[in-house]
Amino acid sequence: QKEVEQNSGPLSVPEGAIASLNCTYSDRGSQSFFWYRQYSGKSPELIMFIYSNGDKEDGRFTAQLNKASQYVSLLIRDSQPSDSATYLCASDYGGSQGNLIFGKGTKLSVKP
Amino acid sequence: NAGVMQNPRHLVRRRGQEARLRCSPMKGHSHVYWYRQLPEEGLKFMVYLQKENIIDESGMPKERFSAEFPKEGPSILRIQQVVRGDSAAYFCASSPYVETSGNTIYFGEGSWLTVV
Repeated sequence: QKEVEQNSGPLSVPEGAIASLNCTYSDRGSQSFFWYRQYSGKSPELIMFIYSNGDKEDGRFTAQLNKASQYVSLLIRDSQPSDSATYLCASDYGGSQGNLIFGKGTKLSVKP
Repeated sequence: NAGVMQNPRHLVRRRGQEARLRCSPMKGHSHVYWYRQLPEEGLKFMVYLQKENIIDESGMPKERFSAEFPKEGPSILRIQQVVRGDSAAYFCASSPYVETSGNTIYFGEGSWLTVV
């Protein structure tokens, strides 16, 4: 069973702090990993993707991938109340184009 | 996710009726995907289509669900004889040609189906 696991949260951090979101995956065949943000009642919005071991930075966001340990993380620096949302981790697994396995998401709450 | 157009945004159907959800991909995108998000559940892949072709329907329920992406016009997800368990958000996503995009897909705003 190919799975992507996330802690459902809620994860609560104060404004300005670093939020750390984690994700593990079961299939070593997975090659690419994606982080989406979803506000309540809205569609998932792509934040970033990563496919190489190590860190990838984009603005306040840093994705980290460790294929040996099969985990992916997303760091949000200088968290803002507007970052409060559910963060979805997804991976491909060598299946067809666009057939991604999503975790159930981690709810993040950034307190002013 | 700007550019992937879905309609209707909200749809209410009585049990046994049919639901048709439409999706126009982002300009320049030739691949369309449908996902379903049940309450308190993660997004689940349903089907992947290109123009006039179903490429992967491994996530589609065996009965009552069908999808198409005709040569002209939007992709359509059709649910026949809806039941309450079909109540969910249905998201369409699209991507450009695979060699240039890998597996990056962009979601539309979703269609919320409520079966009463």
